Amino acid sequence: QKEVEQNSGPLSVPEGAIASLNCTYSDRGSQSFFWYRQYSGKSPELIMFIYSNGDKEDGRFTAQLNKASQYVSLLIRDSQPSDSATYLCAAILGGSYIPTFGRGTSLIVHP
Amino acid sequence: DTGVSQDPRHKITKRGQNVTFRCDPISEHNRLYWYRQTLGQGPEFLTYFQNEAQLEKSRLLSDRFSAERPKGSFSTLEIQRTEQGDSAMYLCASGPKGYTEAFFGQGTRLTVV
Repeated sequence: QKEVEQNSGPLSVPEGAIASLNCTYSDRGSQSFFWYRQYSGKSPELIMFIYSNGDKEDGRFTAQLNKASQYVSLLIRDSQPSDSATYLCAAILGGSYIPTFGRGTSLIVHP
Repeated sequence: DTGVSQDPRHKITKRGQNVTFRCDPISEHNRLYWYRQTLGQGPEFLTYFQNEAQLEKSRLLSDRFSAERPKGSFSTLEIQRTEQGDSAMYLCASGPKGYTEAFFGQGTRLTVV
C-alpha cells in the first residue's frame, strides 16, 4: 500500500460546481498535510496546509482533515476553468521531516 | 523574485555524461529538499538537508547521485554517468525553520539522449 493515495482521475466538473478531491494516508502518526496545485509542465504550488482535525478555509478552497479515518480532502467552490490542473496531496508521515506525495488527481473544469 | 530558484531550467545530455543542478532556496529557509518527478507521478523524494547537514537520503538514490549544501545556503545535485531512466523533472523545495510547509522552485527538466 502506498503511503499517500489519490485517485488519478480525471475528475471532470462543470464551471461553477464544487470539486471534491480526496486523499488517504497509511501512517496514523502523520501530522501535517498539504495540497499542491500543479499545472502541466510547471512545478507544484502550495495552496493549502492543515494540521488539525476539521475544516480550514481559504477563499474558494477548503481543506478537511479526518485523522480517525486517515483522509484529507480539498474542496474547490465555484470551480473555474483556470482551476484545471493536477492536485497533489502530501503528508509528513510520523517520525519524518519529509513531505510524501500522492500521484495527484487531475481536475478538469469545463465551461 | 524571492522564491526558490533552480538552474538550469532545462538540460539535455548524452547518456554517460555527468550533470549538476543548482538550487537557491528562499532566504533563511533552513530546510531543503530534492525531489524527482516523472510524467503522471507525484514528486519522489531524493534527499533532505537541514542547514548544511544531509539528514536523509532515499534508498532509491543510487550512488550515481550526490547532493551537497555547503554553508547551508544553495544546494547542488549531481548525477554521474547519466542513464535514460534519469530523464525527469528535478525539483528543489525549501521550508522555514519551525514550520513544515515546503515551497518548490521551477524545476530542472533533464532529458538524457
